[in-house]
Amino acid sequence: DVKVTQSSRYLVKRTGEKVFLECVQDMDHENMFWYRQDPGLGLRLIYFSYDVKMKEKGDIPEGYSVSREKKERFSLILESASTNQTSMYLCASSLGGVQPQHFGDGTRLSIL
Amino acid sequence: AQSVTQPDIHITVSEGASLELRCNYSYGATPYLFWYVQSPGQGLQLLLKYFSGDTLVQGIKGFEAEFKRSQSSFNLRKPSVHWSDAAEYFCAVGALEYGNKLVFGAGTILRVKS
Repeated sequence: DVKVTQSSRYLVKRTGEKVFLECVQDMDHENMFWYRQDPGLGLRLIYFSYDVKMKEKGDIPEGYSVSREKKERFSLILESASTNQTSMYLCASSLGGVQPQHFGDGTRLSIL
Repeated sequence: AQSVTQPDIHITVSEGASLELRCNYSYGATPYLFWYVQSPGQGLQLLLKYFSGDTLVQGIKGFEAEFKRSQSSFNLRKPSVHWSDAAEYFCAVGALEYGNKLVFGAGTILRVKS
């Protein structure tokens, strides 16, 4: 089975901090994704990557950046955390093309 | 732009009753369709997918879904619900023309009465 591991289940940070969320997958998937999940809004795509060092903006990239230096690792960076970035963050990976995405357990991030 | 609508935010069914969760999509291309389930505090787990062929697809945990192109729908069904099915369910759609991304619906929360 595909394993997608997110480094933290819960994280509390302060406004203005630089925050790193890490995601690792073990199935050599080409695609990796970062979503945020808020009640009533479903999953909204922040960024995705279809290859090492390649990235594309999703629907809500403002205030975020990403890094993919190795195929198995995809990092989400909050450059200067704000309270409106308090949310559940989900990482996913998939094979190339339109394929089922495999999700990590999520990181619940609180910005105080 | 592509979109996915799950009209029901909450649904409550009795244990042992049948279930149908609705999903409608708006896509200008041939869709690839998915249903996911999310238990509290967990990530999303794939229940089933439709790419082509038989429009009735079987998934895990006794779920099935039917693709109806004329209605732009991909509804999820289960003949007899178990208390452990209580969770949030997400419909998702993708298409080759839109790259590797999926668009997710807002989700339907299922409650099961004993």
